[in-house]
Amino acid sequence: QKEVEQNSGPLSVPEGAIASLNCTYSDRVSQSFFWYRQYSGKSPELIMSIYSNGDKEDGRFTAQLNKASQYVSLLIRDSQPSDSATYLCAVPPAGNKLTFGGGTRVLVKP
Amino acid sequence: DAGVIQSPRHEVTEMGQEVTLRCKPISGHNSLFWYRQTMMRGLELLIYFNNNVPIDDSGMPEDRFSAKMPNASFSTLKIQPSEPRDSAVYFCASSLRGNSYEQYFGPGTRLTVT
Repeated sequence: QKEVEQNSGPLSVPEGAIASLNCTYSDRVSQSFFWYRQYSGKSPELIMSIYSNGDKEDGRFTAQLNKASQYVSLLIRDSQPSDSATYLCAVPPAGNKLTFGGGTRVLVKP
Repeated sequence: DAGVIQSPRHEVTEMGQEVTLRCKPISGHNSLFWYRQTMMRGLELLIYFNNNVPIDDSGMPEDRFSAKMPNASFSTLKIQPSEPRDSAVYFCASSLRGNSYEQYFGPGTRLTVT
């Protein structure tokens, strides 16, 4: 089992809809969780960090963490074509090196 | 504020040549990370430093790769000799403290070894 798993996609959503991305991780003691956005040919950009169970909202982005079920999700509300990118989930297992999932490619269609 | 700075942005070299990639972390950050990204393997951590000291180099693929951080504002990743399979995008990232905190990435160096 991979330490951090994501569906590779592509996840195709119409403009204005909600995009829902999921990430599961294997280490129960992980304490911090990150979502990065990476446009094609660019570097990963940190968009969300979450440390405790529940929801964290930042603009059109909401991160949801459920440590008991070992998953973290990212919701993108009112999706825009500019949200088309690959979204990477990152988790440091037991405080060790940050491990990235393979990323979910999101396509927002006008 | 300036973000993480990397140079060169693109490097094309021939197999067997030495390649040196450079990174300047965000001022005040005490952790620095070198990653490699390919389509096949995704984003992989090669090595990271805390307070200029290498902490984990288990991701360095082989002895041809070496990294140094002589001071808090500069790091290098060297490949000698380079091989075509080293072709990838190499990212440098920095963090305020440690590897469990937010990391900020530089623009990357696209390396092509022919």
